[in-house]
Amino acid sequence: QKEVEQNSGPLSVPEGAIASLNCTYSDRGSQSFFWYRQYSGKSPELIMFIYSNGDKEDGRFTAQLNKASQYVSLLIRDSQPSDSATYLCAVATSGGSYIPTFGRGTSLIVHP
Amino acid sequence: ETGVTQSPTHLIKTRGQQVTLRCSSQSGHNTVSWYQQALGQGPQFIFQYYREEENGRGNFPPRFSGLQFPNYSSELNVNALELDDSALYLCASSPDPAPSTDTQYFGPGTRLTVL
Repeated sequence: QKEVEQNSGPLSVPEGAIASLNCTYSDRGSQSFFWYRQYSGKSPELIMFIYSNGDKEDGRFTAQLNKASQYVSLLIRDSQPSDSATYLCAVATSGGSYIPTFGRGTSLIVHP
Repeated sequence: ETGVTQSPTHLIKTRGQQVTLRCSSQSGHNTVSWYQQALGQGPQFIFQYYREEENGRGNFPPRFSGLQFPNYSSELNVNALELDDSALYLCASSPDPAPSTDTQYFGPGTRLTVL
């Protein structure tokens, strides 16, 4: 049973701070890692993906992957109240079929 | 506005019935994936279709089946409905099987209630 674990939160950070969201996974064969943002009552939106160990930056978002520790994280710099949402981590194997396993999500609250 | 639509928005069925949910993808998106999301949970992958062929399936029984059509529409069929099938059903479309930011888009979902 492939598992993806996330702290459900809520994680509360002040506006302007760095929010750090974490995810661990059980399947060592995982090769693709994704972060989705889901606002309350809305559908998920893919905001970051990473395939290789290390950091990947896109605007205020940085995804970090450590395959040896089976750990992936998402950093949000200069957090804004509009970042308040549930952040879903998804992990998949690659190679033709794409079969993702999602975590339960971490609720992030950015307060002014 | 993602360009992905789903119908119906809400649906109430009774246990044992059959249901068909529909998704209309963006033009040119050859891949559609279907997910089940229970309240307070992350989405669970049901299956993916790529160019009208099933291209991966999650841990769902055979009573969950699908179709993808050449006009970028698709269907999720669920037979012999059970109470636990009550959830939000999401479809997501993308050009290729592996999603990428700015190319994978989710529909608004269909809320299914089984009584």
